[in-house]
Amino acid sequence: QKEVEQNSGPLSVPEGAIASLNCTYSDRVSQSFFWYRQYSGKSPELIMSIYSNGDKEDGRFTAQLNKASQYVSLLIRDSQPSDSATYLCAVNPTSGGSYIPTFGRGTSLIVHP
Amino acid sequence: EAGVTQSPTHLIKTRGQQATLRCSPISGHTSVYWYQQALGLGLQFLLWYDEGEERNRGNFPPRFSGRQFPNYSSELNVNALELEDSALYLCASSVGQGNSPLHFGNGTRLTVT
Repeated sequence: QKEVEQNSGPLSVPEGAIASLNCTYSDRVSQSFFWYRQYSGKSPELIMSIYSNGDKEDGRFTAQLNKASQYVSLLIRDSQPSDSATYLCAVNPTSGGSYIPTFGRGTSLIVHP
Repeated sequence: EAGVTQSPTHLIKTRGQQATLRCSPISGHTSVYWYQQALGLGLQFLLWYDEGEERNRGNFPPRFSGRQFPNYSSELNVNALELEDSALYLCASSVGQGNSPLHFGNGTRLTVT
């Protein structure tokens, strides 16, 4: 069974710090990886996509992928209270034509002033 | 570009009734996914439609069903509602390829009393 694991948290960081969110996955054939942000009572919002090993930066966000270790992470620099949300990791198994993303249960991030 | 739209925003039903939820994908997107998110839980995959066909369904009873119309919009039907069906139902669309992210609508909050 394909699994995506995240620490549920909450992860609490002070304003201005770097928040580091981690995700591991079980399906070795996965090729596409995504991070979503979900505010309480709202729907998930896509913030990052990553497909190749290494780092991908977009503003204050950096996604890191290591396929050999089956590990993907999200770094948020200069964290702001508005970043307080649940962050969902999603993995797409792109083999076999079954394009059903598997989501982790999310990590709750709290950025305190 | 208009995002994924879902209706209604809120739906209140009693046990045993039927609920119909609707979703319009982003223009150009052919795939529609339905997820259930019960309070405090992760996203549980319900159904995937692509090009008008049901491609896969999650581990839910047959009283959860749906369809996709020629214009790629979709509806989710839940028959014989049970109290535990109370949840946020999320529709997402994508361009239908394995490496494409999902884009979520704002969800329908279903409450069963």
